Amino acid sequence: QVQLVQSGAEVKKPGASVKVSCKASGYTFTGYFMHWVRQAPGQGLEWMGWIKPNSGDTKYAEKFQGRVTMTRDTSISTAYMELSRLRSDDTAVYFCARTPAVGWFDPWGQGTLVTVSS
Amino acid sequence: DIQMTQSPSTLSASVGDRVTITCRASQSISSWLAWYQQKPGKAPKLLIYKASSLESGVPARFSGSGSGTEFTLTISSLQPDDFATYYCQQYHSYPYSFGQGTKLEIK
Repeated sequence: QVQLVQSGAEVKKPGASVKVSCKASGYTFTGYFMHWVRQAPGQGLEWMGWIKPNSGDTKYAEKFQGRVTMTRDTSISTAYMELSRLRSDDTAVYFCARTPAVGWFDPWGQGTLVTVSS
Repeated sequence: DIQMTQSPSTLSASVGDRVTITCRASQSISSWLAWYQQKPGKAPKLLIYKASSLESGVPARFSGSGSGTEFTLTISSLQPDDFATYYCQQYHSYPYSFGQGTKLEIK
């Protein structure tokens, strides 16, 4: 079955960077876009951007431009999201989610909690 | 950017009730709308796409309707497993955006 498995929880200090991985299985990794969405504690969902695995093309939400980098390794069907210059308000659960070229998110990874604290 | 507004923010209902959640877009998004269910500590789960298409495996008591700027998610007869938070999401244009969520609570 189609599955996205993310890396484990992280604790980072303000100003540091974090890199979260998302390993895909059960489908052709290069055939779908991979998006990243985050959810602060007790809050709603916020779209961060996508990567197109077959080309490496990316599109980021303006809010994260300059701080986020999305990459992939097609040999191991894994997408990555790196967020730099972390602040306390970056504390959130970060999800990867697959979409067709344009569309809805399905499925989602299980989420990775990133805690930013001094 | 397209703003998505859900109402109500919280809904109290009983098992067997029919409930409706509304989602409004700040501009027309045609039928480019999805609905998700999220339970505490879990990832969102796709229920509806293209405003009214039921995702495979989702019970038929869930239905979606609407187009343009106004959309609804209806649960025809609430089951205990349905108490969760529901989000709408537009994928008409970037940045993709979500409603703020509707928490469905047991009355």
